[in-house]
Amino acid sequence: SQQGEEDPQALSIQEGENATMNCSYKTSINNLQWYRQNSGRGLVHLILIRSNEREKHSGRLRVTLDTSKKSSSLLITASRAADTASYFCATKIQGAQKLVFGQGTRLTINP
Amino acid sequence: GAVVSQHPSRVICKSGTSVKIECRSLDFQATTMFWYRQFPKQSLMLMATSNEGSKATYEQGVEKDKFLINHASLTLSTLTVTSAHPEDSSFYICSALSKGNEKLFFGSGTQLSVL
Repeated sequence: SQQGEEDPQALSIQEGENATMNCSYKTSINNLQWYRQNSGRGLVHLILIRSNEREKHSGRLRVTLDTSKKSSSLLITASRAADTASYFCATKIQGAQKLVFGQGTRLTINP
Repeated sequence: GAVVSQHPSRVICKSGTSVKIECRSLDFQATTMFWYRQFPKQSLMLMATSNEGSKATYEQGVEKDKFLINHASLTLSTLTVTSAHPEDSSFYICSALSKGNEKLFFGSGTQLSVL
């Protein structure tokens, strides 16, 4: 079973609108991170939220974490065409070195 | 920010040959490096975790004799795909973690095509 599952798998919105992506996970975590991947490139770290935090902001990004529901959301406000990319959540499981990545959301911002 | 350099970005090889991919941390010491494989429009599949100076830990189902990983220094890890087959064609990405850090820094990936 997947540790991180994201929805929607794909999202297409108009420039200027807000984009929300969700991530669910199954086991206890130390932190949850969001990454962005442009097509054919590596991933770039966006934001990290710890298990004892509920919300975090970074520029146009807002991340929430609900450990009781084992879920997180990433909100991108005032979207731009340059935000077009795939977005992945990744969970740092307690006691493990590795991050487990979700399936990702492919976001398309239409100009 | 920290930079991870991955080379080559693209390689085409004949079936049966071996291909080496390098992953370097340019401005920090990477105590741990991870190697992933990614198919089109899919997520990253972790292949192995390598800690400097010790043997890599492979994920279930990943053949360690086929995907050789070496992490001989704090700034360099290599993945060698041995006796490559067309089914090994994929996008391979490395990432690095420094001691005390929690976020990963990724290389730009290597697109491997085996003919």
